[in-house]
Amino acid sequence: ETGVTQSPTHLIKTRGQQVTLRCSSQSGHNTVSWYQQALGQGPQFIFQYYREEENGRGNFPPRFSGLQFPNYSSELNVNALELDDSALYLCASSLGSSSYGYTFGSGTRLTVV
Amino acid sequence: KNEVEQSPQNLTAQEGEFITINCSYSVGISALHWLQQHPGGGIVSLFMLSSGKKKHGRLIATINIQEKHSSLHITASHPRDSAVYICAVRPGGSQGNLIFGKGTKLSVKP
Repeated sequence: ETGVTQSPTHLIKTRGQQVTLRCSSQSGHNTVSWYQQALGQGPQFIFQYYREEENGRGNFPPRFSGLQFPNYSSELNVNALELDDSALYLCASSLGSSSYGYTFGSGTRLTVV
Repeated sequence: KNEVEQSPQNLTAQEGEFITINCSYSVGISALHWLQQHPGGGIVSLFMLSSGKKKHGRLIATINIQEKHSSLHITASHPRDSAVYICAVRPGGSQGNLIFGKGTKLSVKP
């Protein structure tokens, strides 16, 4: 069984640009959640997708958007990048309501300059 | 005040020592997770608890739902245990999102 894979691992973007981060969920998992982790902080919940629909969102502006595909992989899109968007972006997959736990990816480190 | 508080923030131990990391939370939860994060950023799930105690190798996790408190213990610590340990809770009634503590950075010296 494969784990959660995120791509790319590192990325440098310029303020104002747009970025797409990708996450493949663990085999058998149908739910993907995205988190932003600033340096020295715990991860913050961005949003969650279940069966291709967003079913939960944290306190992030609309320029953070996402998609989930029929194979349950997912994308996180961020428009109009700001310097404060520099962070580690983590993806976690789970089965349904996550009573069985989560599998995390290794993250994408985004630097906005 | 954060909904999930961990202590200590930083911990340095000598190899072989018994280590305890504490987590307190202020919301009703359906589960609590202990996670391990290495410098590269990847997170590994150690335990998911909703009551009582769990043990895996040298790691033990306990939770007291009434007191809204959990502890992670490491027995016979080893330098390879050096990592950030994060407590995260799943609020009751949530869609599945987690609320994370800021983590405890553990360094075990040989």
